[in-house]
Amino acid sequence: KNQVEQSPQSLIILEGKNCTLQCNYTVSPFSNLRWYKQDTGRGPVSLTIMTFSENTKSNGRYTATLDADTKQSSLHITASQLSDSASYICVVSFISNFGNEKLTFGTGTRLTIIP
Amino acid sequence: SQTIHQWPATLVQPVGSPLSLECTVEGTSNPNLYWYRQAAGRGLQLLFYSVGIGQISSEVPQNLSASRPQDRQFILSSKKLLLSDSGFYLCAWSYGGNYGYTFGSGTRLTVV
Repeated sequence: KNQVEQSPQSLIILEGKNCTLQCNYTVSPFSNLRWYKQDTGRGPVSLTIMTFSENTKSNGRYTATLDADTKQSSLHITASQLSDSASYICVVSFISNFGNEKLTFGTGTRLTIIP
Repeated sequence: SQTIHQWPATLVQPVGSPLSLECTVEGTSNPNLYWYRQAAGRGLQLLFYSVGIGQISSEVPQNLSASRPQDRQFILSSKKLLLSDSGFYLCAWSYGGNYGYTFGSGTRLTVV
């Protein structure tokens, strides 16, 4: 069964500190992995997308890594800001038997930045 | 640039009443369109997707239906809402593959 598991479920850190969020998946065959940021009551916003051949991608203070062999990804946030408080969702996609892309969503990590 | 609009932002409806949520996309043509539901503490669940006008695929059996009357319009409907239909509904568009998904701002539906 295709699954995406994220850890920790929630995280509280001080403003200015770094943090790393984890994503493990069992999705197969793998197509790509995405990280989204979702503010409370809003739709998810894309941060990064990585294919099988990419093992790191940055977007400002966000850096995502991918190890396709161990089926793990991480999202590292540097010098956190209060506006980073949100849920971070890992999404892994695969191509179905019918040739269309399917997304499997993790349940997210709720990150809270405190001043 | 492409934009996606979803409305209303919040909705409170009694059990048994009908539902119509609308999603429109601007600045693109022939997108793949999606309806997702996000329950509290759960990952997003795909409800419907459409690859073209009048083409709807349902992912899970449920009390809801979807329609795509125009290329850039996607509608989520129900004839009679159930309490279990409460949740956060998100519309999204994509060209598929390694192209990103863009989500709407969501509709918080509460069935009372």
